[in-house]
Parts: sequence; structure tokens; C-alpha cells
Amino acid sequence: EPEVTQTPSHQVTQMGQEVILRCVPISNHLYFYWYRQILGQKVEFLVSFYNNEISEKSEIFDDQFSVERPDGSNFTLKIRSTKLEDSAMYFCASRYRTNTEAFFGQGTRLTVV
Amino acid sequence: GESVGLHLPTLSVQEGDNSIINCAYSNSASDYFIWYKQESGKGPQFIIDIRSNMDKRQGQRVTVLLNKTVKHLSLQIAATQPGDSAVYFCAENYGGSQGNLIFGKGTKLSVKP
Repeated sequence: EPEVTQTPSHQVTQMGQEVILRCVPISNHLYFYWYRQILGQKVEFLVSFYNNEISEKSEIFDDQFSVERPDGSNFTLKIRSTKLEDSAMYFCASRYRTNTEAFFGQGTRLTVV
Repeated sequence: GESVGLHLPTLSVQEGDNSIINCAYSNSASDYFIWYKQESGKGPQFIIDIRSNMDKRQGQRVTVLLNKTVKHLSLQIAATQPGDSAVYFCAENYGGSQGNLIFGKGTKLSVKP
């Protein structure tokens, strides 16, 4: 069964450092998303990506965040200068069309120290 | 304020009983809804979805009911099993958006053997 894969599963970084979280969406999907989940809280939307550009982003997704689909298979989330409050689980998701099931990866746990 | 919320943060049921998890949403323009199950340390896993032109949809042991009049969504799990223990989130897809899902806070379901 096709699945969304994310690497690494856990990333520890020092405050102020840049991190790149990687995702491989399901191959025939067209819509890609990043979400985050702070421990014990709900899943929050960060950004959606379609047709090689950002289609929507939340207020969480500020200038420190960027996304890229560099090669047609990977979908990355970069945080330029991490803050303590960026510590969370980050989930990548993809879907073939809107209003259909969105498949989530297993997440990357980001810990900023 | 949040668009999707849950009435009960925790639910404890006996194995074999039926479970009902409730969700309220506030965007009357939302046209698609998903229930996700999240086990500890894992990503959200699709359970069942429903479009706004329906009021009921059944899957294997699960039923989703949608009441658009009061903007209420519920998930019914028949013959609940220990493997159903997890956090359950409802998510709404705001009509017209690029498909970003708005998640509720989650209900933790505990199944007692």
C-alpha cells in the first residue's frame, strides 16, 4: 500500500540552527501539506502546495519557514532559524484531489534545545 | 477561535460496547469531513470521510453522521476493541480552499478489556 514517508523520525537541533524536514508523498498525488502538532495538542495546518507553488499558508508559517519540491518526488520543509517553540511533531500529507482522503506520514519529531 | 472542536476530551468504554465520539464545527461552508485515528507517536490515520451532501456513511464497524443543521459530526464505533484505543480527530475541509484540513482537539478513547 502506498504511503507517505518522512525523514528523519527525530531531529534534535540547537536554537537558531536551520533544519530541513523531508517527505516523500505518494507518487501520483498532486496536493501536498505540512502540519504540526505540539505535544498533547491538535494538529495545526502550516502550508499547502500545489502545482509547484504555495497555495495557502497559515499565520504560523512565517518568513522562517519555506517549502520546496526540488525533484518531483521530495517535498521539504525548512525552518531557517529554529526557536524553542518550534519543537513539535511535523507531519507531511498528500492527496490526489481536494475533498478526498489526505494521507499522513509518521511525522518528524523536532526538538529544539 | 478554532473552527472545529470536540465535546469530550476523553471517553472510556468497555470492550464490546459501542463508542460515540462527537465533534462540532463552525464553518457552514465546509463541504467535506474526515475522521482520523492517531496512535501514540504515529501520524493521523484515515478512518472514514463524508461529504456535505450526505448525512450518514458507513464503513467497517464505523459510521459517521453529519448534521448540517446544528453543524455536528459524530463517529460511531461498533463493538469497540482494545485496538481502537487512540486519539480521534475530526477534520473539516473548508469549501473553496486548497484542501487544508482544520482539525479539532481530539478525543482520547480508552477501551477497557
